[in-house]
Amino acid sequence: AQKVTQAQTEISVVEKEDVTLDCVYETRDTTYYLFWYKQPPSGELVFLIRRNSFDEQNEISGRYSWNFQKSTSSFNFTITASQVVDSAVYFCALSRSGFGNEKLTFGTGTRLTIIP
Amino acid sequence: KAGVTQTPRYLIKTRGQQVTLSCSPISGHRSVSWYQQTPGQGLQFLFEYFSETQRNKGNFPGRFSGRQFSNSRSEMNVSTLELGDSALYLCASRPGTGGLGYGYTFGSGTRLTIV
Repeated sequence: AQKVTQAQTEISVVEKEDVTLDCVYETRDTTYYLFWYKQPPSGELVFLIRRNSFDEQNEISGRYSWNFQKSTSSFNFTITASQVVDSAVYFCALSRSGFGNEKLTFGTGTRLTIIP
Repeated sequence: KAGVTQTPRYLIKTRGQQVTLSCSPISGHRSVSWYQQTPGQGLQFLFEYFSETQRNKGNFPGRFSGRQFSNSRSEMNVSTLELGDSALYLCASRPGTGGLGYGYTFGSGTRLTIV
């Protein structure tokens, strides 16, 4: 079975601080995909990043960066110089690969509040 | 191009009734998935349709059903509504081929309240 754990339920930081959201996953598959989604108050899940299990390169996109470590089964997300617009619930998700197997297993989410 | 459109945005129903939710995927996307989001259970997969065929199904009772039309639009139906069915129902679409190289694009959801 697949499982995603986001141990941080809520985080509050002051604007311009850096913040890291943790994600730990469990899977027996050798090929899988990891995702991060952002859910603002409007409810829509906004896709942030997808990473496949063969690509352990860290990625940076503007103020966002992701650290994927297979050795610790973690896929952590860092926001640098946080802004109020970053306030949202963030979900980490895991999926198997293979046609028909690609449902997303989500973590419980981390509610991030950026204090102005 | 237009995103994933879900209608209606809000719905109030009473116990025992049935409800149909609609999802129009991004043009060209052939795969549509449905998820239920509740405070207690979080985000849970309901089912996925591809080219009018159910390709995968989550662990939900038979009261939850869905279908997909030839234009890829999808509907999900919940019969004999229970209070516990109150949730945000999210629809997601993707091209459906090429594996998960294409991430899911989600709609804004339908918030269903059972009274």
